[in-house]
Amino acid sequence: QQQVKQSPQSLIVQKGGISIINCAYENTAFDYFPWYQQFPGKGPALLIAIRPDVSEKKEGRFTISFNKSAKQFSLHIMDSQPGDSATYFCAASKAAGNKLTFGGGTRVLVKP
Amino acid sequence: DVKVTQSSRYLVKRTGEKVFLECVQDMDHENMFWYRQDPGLGLRLIYFSYDVKMKEKGDIPEGYSVSREKKERFSLILESASTNQTSMYLCASASGGVGGYGYTFGSGTRLTVV
Repeated sequence: QQQVKQSPQSLIVQKGGISIINCAYENTAFDYFPWYQQFPGKGPALLIAIRPDVSEKKEGRFTISFNKSAKQFSLHIMDSQPGDSATYFCAASKAAGNKLTFGGGTRVLVKP
Repeated sequence: DVKVTQSSRYLVKRTGEKVFLECVQDMDHENMFWYRQDPGLGLRLIYFSYDVKMKEKGDIPEGYSVSREKKERFSLILESASTNQTSMYLCASASGGVGGYGYTFGSGTRLTVV
């Protein structure tokens, strides 16, 4: 049972473009929604996270949009750079330090 | 910065061997987790622990066990390795309690069972 569904599986974007990754969750008890970035040969690293009391959070070129009623959230990467080429995972949990349920991942390639 | 250290980057083991994967964190985190990562399947939770000597099954615990004798160390044990356990194994730690922050992951152990 996949509780967090992520799309697309892969994404190619031109430098300067916008990358958009979407996630949908099923468990309404989830109240912490992080995104992780993973480079080849490395463990995932926390990129940005949101709680359901806000609809949007922005950190630099990365923005999370959250729609509680639709049980969906998305990551937008503005002005995408080749250095953003990585695999991105959305996740959800009942609290920030508790067990996370991950989406399947999106491999993003930013072409120069 | 929190550091999570996994003892091996690459391991090759034979079918039927007992395999130990070690994970150590240095920030006094209460919570520790073991995931495996497979292409197209994302990260799947094997076991987790919210305290010393405490363990709970994740989504795919079959064929695995864990040990947490000290707060900083969380070991994953493959009782009898099989080829379908060939995977990338990721350990993570996090502080517990309300308002806690996210996970810190180790760099992973790529295990090949032949």
